[in-house]
Amino acid sequence: QSVLTQPPSASGTPGQRVTISCSGTSSNIGSRAVNWCQQLPGTAPKLLIFSNDQRPSGVPDRFSGSKSGTSASLAISGLQSEDEGDYYCVAWDDSLNGWVFGGGTKVTVL
Amino acid sequence: EVQLVESGGGLVEPGGSLRLSCAASGFTFSDYEMNWVRQAPGKGLEWVAYTTSTESTLYYADSVKGRFTISRDNAKNSLYLQMNSLRAEDTAVYYCVRDAGYRGRYWIPFDYWGQGTLVTVSS
Repeated sequence: QSVLTQPPSASGTPGQRVTISCSGTSSNIGSRAVNWCQQLPGTAPKLLIFSNDQRPSGVPDRFSGSKSGTSASLAISGLQSEDEGDYYCVAWDDSLNGWVFGGGTKVTVL
Repeated sequence: EVQLVESGGGLVEPGGSLRLSCAASGFTFSDYEMNWVRQAPGKGLEWVAYTTSTESTLYYADSVKGRFTISRDNAKNSLYLQMNSLRAEDTAVYYCVRDAGYRGRYWIPFDYWGQGTLVTVSS
């Protein structure tokens, strides 16, 4: 059971907008920034969003993040086939003194 | 180019020990905090351990506390994970992951990942 809660799956057709939720508590998302990692099939994870809504250089602006209270969201607009993979939210937890990940959401492009 | 290359994985019996290494290049290793993150076969990501740039602060996941030790040698640009009393549930790919810390206004964690090394705990 992961500390952060994500839906196990999400899907959309090419060009659609897909949103992934991430729910936490006051000791993690409620008081800390949320980050998102992308893991494409057979590859190592990659940082996609940091500090709630910031994109590292090279990440397309189709990817956007937001946070409100103890929840966060990742949106993929203009979904493309190469976006298929697993997406994880992650935040520091002040009670556990460590990073906590969501269980991951598998995105499928129909 | 930033590179993180893990090594030291393999098959070990329950109760055994293993030491993972991570060779860093392409950046000033001593300026960065580092983590180990693992992924069991077919499962999600799990953070394992963290060290500041000088080892002044170390943090561990509850699942490995007292059994695993993170360390680094800044002169050798290397990160280590000593794993003792290994259990079947420690079977996973272990990733070496850079943490850029605070850069301006923002904390940028997990900005570079290695390709991982597989640890299998089985008799």
